Amino acid sequence: DTEVTQTPKHLVMGMTNKKSLKCEQHMGHRAMYWYKQKAKKPPELMFVYSYEKLSINESVPSRFSPECPNSSLLNLHLHALQPEDSALYLCASSQVLFRDIMNTEAFFGQGTRLTVV
Amino acid sequence: QKEVEQDPGPLSVPEGAIVSLNCTYSNSAFQYFMWYRQYSRKGPELLMYTYSSGNKEDGRFTAQVDKSSKYISLFIRDSQPSDSATYLCAMLAAGGTSYGKLTFGQGTILTVHP
Repeated sequence: DTEVTQTPKHLVMGMTNKKSLKCEQHMGHRAMYWYKQKAKKPPELMFVYSYEKLSINESVPSRFSPECPNSSLLNLHLHALQPEDSALYLCASSQVLFRDIMNTEAFFGQGTRLTVV
Repeated sequence: QKEVEQDPGPLSVPEGAIVSLNCTYSNSAFQYFMWYRQYSRKGPELLMYTYSSGNKEDGRFTAQVDKSSKYISLFIRDSQPSDSATYLCAMLAAGGTSYGKLTFGQGTILTVHP
């Protein structure tokens, strides 16, 4: 099983709503990532978790709040988002952090397409 | 200047053509090189991974790295309509401020028409 599963696939939310994105993998990977991808742009790193601890926060606004409740799950809590936050949110996982083993492969989920209205 | 430069295209070729996709980079710390394929509204899928200069072949795909010129390529032989996607190069630095983070190129949109 080399699958990273993201739910929901699509999400429309108002600027005052609170919602969560979920990501799950059962490959035993101990590094998990959130990326944001705007149309016709490459993925941009948001957060990195290693062994359920936040390792990297790429200066992401606090309206995005990540959580890693266990080694298989990664959540992204959303609150008071802006229309410019509309994007494809991608989750990825790898065996360990790239800086620990450089030739480790990252597997991406299918993404959640978020629209903020 | 961006650390990784990739021509966004779009690139349109007839079925059966040889496709050449390229990226250049400026950061000498980049030591690991990947090519991802991303279909519309899907997540990226790893196609090729290499860390040494030279060629690496996998089926119809060949990845080429020239570290002295800071230039990488992906060749697709006998291209098929199912190869139509966005191709992203990605790199990992062995040190410096980008250490341990995937740095992506802009992506090249490829269309293979029957």
